[in-house]
Amino acid sequence: DAGITQSPRYKITETGRQVTLMCHQTWSHSYMFWYRQDLGHGLRLIYYSAAADITDKGEVPDGYVVSRSKTENFPLTLESATRSQTSVYFCASSLSGGTTGELFFGEGSRLTVL
Amino acid sequence: AQSVAQPEDQVNVAEGNPLTVKCTYSVSGNPYLFWYVQYPNRGLQFLLKYITGDNLVKGSYGFEAEFNKSQTSFHLKKPSALVSDSALYFCAVRDNYGGSQGNLIFGKGTKLSVKP
Repeated sequence: DAGITQSPRYKITETGRQVTLMCHQTWSHSYMFWYRQDLGHGLRLIYYSAAADITDKGEVPDGYVVSRSKTENFPLTLESATRSQTSVYFCASSLSGGTTGELFFGEGSRLTVL
Repeated sequence: AQSVAQPEDQVNVAEGNPLTVKCTYSVSGNPYLFWYVQYPNRGLQFLLKYITGDNLVKGSYGFEAEFNKSQTSFHLKKPSALVSDSALYFCAVRDNYGGSQGNLIFGKGTKLSVKP
């Protein structure tokens, strides 16, 4: 089905482990975003990408790595997970960024770091 | 710094009554404003946006929002609430600065509870 999908939906890991959250969209949108959602903070931007091979930091990038070798995929990697990275992660895509177009969100990936 | 504030953590409304979810913003330049809704265990869904033009913006599911430049507000409204409107609502403003390519800055969210 067309849309934006995230995997895994739920993940439990241990401190220090590497974790990769996957994001795939079928609309060929140029822009893709990773947000984390935490109680009391709303959504905060981790990284974004304006096109394949173009990525940039958002508000809270420390501890995260992204890549975008193909337009449709935008994986988020936690190189050495910490408890403070326990959160719900949302991937989003947009045809024109946040300029005038809306963002389309995935269902989220709930990550617990023990 | 650019920001958006949602002063109420929760809004309680009886079904059939009008509802308002408040949002104020602080932004340099023209404000591009958005409302999103999040149902439990789901991603955010776009409701409506204000870019320019009429101060009253109509969106999905019967929602509308009123842009007020003098009060720097963008309140979400609906004339008659439904139980199914119960969800988390986020106001967002476009980041007009830096290289963030029009990233959206989100408020902390307001939980709307509509009781039968």
